[in-house]
Amino acid sequence: EAQVTQNPRYLITVTGKKLTVTCSQNMNHEYMSWYRQDPGLGLRQIYYSMNVEVTDKGDVPEGYKVSRKEKRNFPLILESPSPNQTSLYFCASSPVTSGSNEQFFGPGTRLTVL
Amino acid sequence: AQSVTQPDIHITVSEGASLELRCNYSYGATPYLFWYVQSPGQGLQLLLKYFSGDTLVQGIKGFEAEFKRSQSSFNLRKPSVHWSDAAEYFCAVGGAGGTSYGKLTFGQGTILTVHP
Repeated sequence: EAQVTQNPRYLITVTGKKLTVTCSQNMNHEYMSWYRQDPGLGLRQIYYSMNVEVTDKGDVPEGYKVSRKEKRNFPLILESPSPNQTSLYFCASSPVTSGSNEQFFGPGTRLTVL
Repeated sequence: AQSVTQPDIHITVSEGASLELRCNYSYGATPYLFWYVQSPGQGLQLLLKYFSGDTLVQGIKGFEAEFKRSQSSFNLRKPSVHWSDAAEYFCAVGGAGGTSYGKLTFGQGTILTVHP
């Protein structure tokens, strides 16, 4: 089944404790992206990657890091989480060659930072 | 910079009534436009998309949307709403080519409540 998977689905952590949220897709998509969703703000793009070793900032990159060492994986790293990063996070992937810009979303990761 | 505005935060309709959700966008070139739906506790599902060609696009679940370049709008419509349509709806704009590829900007969302 073609899908985008995220782990963990739920995470409660404390301020300053480094964490990684993994994202993996099995559709051989070149493009991957991370979003955060907050009530009343819709989804805001954190980082995106056009292909392996190519990443770029979205609208809200502060406090986050990403890496793209393999085509299928795009982990989101919070080096020192803070309470304002409590949010619902979505990973998405998209084929670049089709030119459609249609993104396929993962199920989401709900993060709480205490 | 690209942006999307969904003027209605919350809309309530009766089952069987028609529906129109508004979306206005700002984008410097020809946009790619999308409508996504999110049911409570779920991820996002693509309803429909516009890239080029016919300005009236059909999507899943009986939804359609019309691209109006002169009004910078991409409103979502459904002739008869079902209780299962209750969800949050997001309009999004993205580009194609160059550095704008893949940057997708979402609106704030419209919550749809359906009364029996």
